[in-house]
Amino acid sequence: EAGVVQSPRYKIIEKKQPVAFWCNPISGHNTLYWYLQNLGQGPELLIRYENEEAVDDSQLPKDRFSAERLKGVDSTLKIQPAELGDSAVYLCASSKRVSSYNEQFFGPGTRLTVL
Amino acid sequence: SQQGEEDPQALSIQEGENATMNCSYKTSINNLQWYRQNSGRGLVHLILIRSNEREKHSGRLRVTLDTSKKSSSLLITASRAADTASYFCATVIHAGKSTFGDGTTLTVKP
Repeated sequence: EAGVVQSPRYKIIEKKQPVAFWCNPISGHNTLYWYLQNLGQGPELLIRYENEEAVDDSQLPKDRFSAERLKGVDSTLKIQPAELGDSAVYLCASSKRVSSYNEQFFGPGTRLTVL
Repeated sequence: SQQGEEDPQALSIQEGENATMNCSYKTSINNLQWYRQNSGRGLVHLILIRSNEREKHSGRLRVTLDTSKKSSSLLITASRAADTASYFCATVIHAGKSTFGDGTTLTVKP
């Protein structure tokens, strides 16, 4: 079974430029998460999808960040315009369905550097 | 701010020794999960302990949970160089809501 796929693995951009990250969750997983992980810290939830519906986006900075999961499968996270402080690793995770007891399966992440 | 806090921030031991890391949290939880992250990789789920459980084992891993003290510990016995990684606790308050701590970085020297 393929794991969570993310691309690109690395991205370097100038500040004020747009950037997009793509995630393909494990087949059959209805729940998809986007996390931000700063160096030396744990992941922080940005947005959670149940199928195509964003059910928790309270931590997503909506002035510059947007996300979509149009067909309830793969998802895209976009930043426009990027700021220096956005440099971090962006992790995507999925789980079978929303449940307190479901483990999350993480992708390898996209490391973003904003210059 | 993070719900869970791991302690210590960093731990260095010799191969074969046991490694213990702790997680403290602030609010009542449904369950607590431990994850491992190797350098440059995503997190991997290790073990889950429910709020009504006190101890759980999985291979060389032993997890305890003390809800009265709002704390959990992860013990890795007979450590190996391959156990070198960062370990995170995730507190689950309700379905879909997991909060991760900042992790313990474990280094196991061969």
